Amino acid sequence: AQSVTQLGSHVSVSEGALVLLRCNYSSSVPPYLFWYVQYPNQGLQLLLKYTSAATLVKGINGFEAEFKKSETSFHLTKPSAHMSDAAEYFCAVSVDSGGSNYKLTFGKGTLLTVNP
Amino acid sequence: DAGITQSPRHKVTETGTPVTLRCHQTENHRYMYWYRQDPGHGLRLIHYSYGVKDTDKGEVSDGYSVSRSKTEDFLLTLESATSSQTSVYFCAISGHRGYEQYFGPGTRLTVT
Repeated sequence: AQSVTQLGSHVSVSEGALVLLRCNYSSSVPPYLFWYVQYPNQGLQLLLKYTSAATLVKGINGFEAEFKKSETSFHLTKPSAHMSDAAEYFCAVSVDSGGSNYKLTFGKGTLLTVNP
Repeated sequence: DAGITQSPRHKVTETGTPVTLRCHQTENHRYMYWYRQDPGHGLRLIHYSYGVKDTDKGEVSDGYSVSRSKTEDFLLTLESATSSQTSVYFCAISGHRGYEQYFGPGTRLTVT
């Protein structure tokens, strides 16, 4: 079965510092990978996606992620944190559930705190 | 933003009562999903639909049923609500299998 592991349920950084949120996946077939962001009391918003094209993917709000097959990782980074980046971040993998249907499997999320 | 609405946005109900949540989309997407979000569990799939009248179970489907009679509407029903079903429920849509999903604003359900 496919799965996603997000290392660290809570990450705290200073404003202006590098943001690194870790995601490792398990999949028996080439995966599609996604990062979502959730602000308080809101739904999930797509940050970026990997769909077997370029391994370095750029998303919204200055975030990017690199697909590393050898490490089964898809870590999310941003060079300089901003106070507005404080939110919960979810990594997800697309799962072939058989037939013609696909589902997403989500990690448990990483809460990012940005300190002034 | 994807055109997805959920209703109601908040609901408090008593144990044992039936509850129906509605998801409405204006994107004409084929795939629709219902998730629940609970602290420490992330998002868990309840049911999904891959077309009108075509639905299937997710990982936490016990106690829930769904229906999709039109492309734009996907209903989630709790036949007899329990306190363990207190959660935030999200609807999502997707236009292509295996691709990204777009989420609605959520419904906060409290079962007392």
